[in-house]
Amino acid sequence: GAGVSQSPRYKVAKRGQDVALRCDPISGHVSLFWYQQALGQGPEFLTYFQNEAQLDKSGLPSDRFFAERPEGSVSTLKIQRTQQEDSAVYLCASSPFDPWDTTYEQYFGPGTRLTVT
Amino acid sequence: ELKVEQNPLFLSMQEGKNYTIYCNYSTTSDRLYWYRQDPGKSLESLFVLLSNGAVKQEGRLMASLDTKARLSTLHITAAVHDLSATYFCAVVRVAYSGAGSYQLTFGKGTKLSVIP
Repeated sequence: GAGVSQSPRYKVAKRGQDVALRCDPISGHVSLFWYQQALGQGPEFLTYFQNEAQLDKSGLPSDRFFAERPEGSVSTLKIQRTQQEDSAVYLCASSPFDPWDTTYEQYFGPGTRLTVT
Repeated sequence: ELKVEQNPLFLSMQEGKNYTIYCNYSTTSDRLYWYRQDPGKSLESLFVLLSNGAVKQEGRLMASLDTKARLSTLHITAAVHDLSATYFCAVVRVAYSGAGSYQLTFGKGTKLSVIP
């Protein structure tokens, strides 16, 4: 079946521009996560949704970062007034949150590589 | 704060050799994940380890978990060039009881190069 998809795959933004990154999770997956992966580093948690509710946004680095999932499926991560330090790969992951599946496994999308110039 | 440390961070090994990657984590967790990432690609799930003493094997890779020592290992047997990639371990931190904010905390990754 279809996996997690993200768009665009690559985005170049001039410093100060706003960007919007899209994530289409696996159909039926309740949980959705955003992670930020800087070059040469492991992914770092940004935020978590359960359906349309944003239950954890403790990883968002500043108030310039905003995420939404209004209908409980597609999610958008928005970054306002981009800075050079925002350059990274942004990964989206979804998970079924099935109480009978205790693996809590997350399925990752291909990521969006954001470069701020 | 949950911390995950991997070592080594860089590993160059010859084909046919064996080696082990170590993953230590700082607080209690009974779910540990190993992922593989090829350059420019996303994360591919390798193993999910759910309990103390869990051992899983797939091809030339074998992962184990010791929750008491807060240690997982990824053992590579008779390495081949196709195993060249970056390997990450990650640990679940359940932030909200019942709500399932089971965010992953990752190590920095081990970049493996297998030389013919």
